Amino acid sequence: AQKITQTQPGMFVQEKEAVTLDCTYDTSDPSYGLFWYKQPSSGEMIFLIYQGSYDQQNATEGRYSLNFQKARKSANLVISASQLGDSAMYFCAMREGADYGQNFVFGPGTRLSVLP
Amino acid sequence: DADVTQTPRNRITKTGKRIMLECSQTKGHDRMYWYRQDPGLGLRLIYYSFDVKDINKGEISDGYSVSRQAQAKFSLSLESAIPNQTALYFCATSDFGLAGYNEQFFGPGTRLTVL
Repeated sequence: AQKITQTQPGMFVQEKEAVTLDCTYDTSDPSYGLFWYKQPSSGEMIFLIYQGSYDQQNATEGRYSLNFQKARKSANLVISASQLGDSAMYFCAMREGADYGQNFVFGPGTRLSVLP
Repeated sequence: DADVTQTPRNRITKTGKRIMLECSQTKGHDRMYWYRQDPGLGLRLIYYSFDVKDINKGEISDGYSVSRQAQAKFSLSLESAIPNQTALYFCATSDFGLAGYNEQFFGPGTRLTVL
């Protein structure tokens, strides 16, 4: 079974508008972490934001926020005020278990295109 | 200078050849990982190492081997390359942190083509 599901292979958004990229996850472990990475066309992987399973508040980092709905097992990335430079692949990832048993699982990614 | 470096950045080789991809890091992290990326599949874990004496298979280790020569160096080998190993390969590192916030830091990737 897929541990990380990203149901939107591609998304379009108008510059300056907000966009939500979906991510759902599957785990029975009470301790886990959720990550979002950005991969521009140049290929590097850029860390964006992290949410721990015990965190009470949704994570925010500048224009990025994570809409964490634990009961629904979803961790959607919200990008506010989209910029042309936000055009990239976005990957949701999960670390299951306590840190000493660390293992990362990535979703298939969503390609975001920001239109001028 | 980059914290995680990979060599080579691009490689074209032929079926049956032995290939080694190298990864070095200056972050001082104990944990290192090798992933491959294929279109539509995201990143899949090949091998990971939590310290020099610890090597673990990931989701797709068949056809690959690794060597952890030092804390800072982790190499991936394809003993006999085949065309379906054509992919983008990433090395990553992470720290150990009980708080759980331990993102992975990625190298720039190695684009491998097996003809």
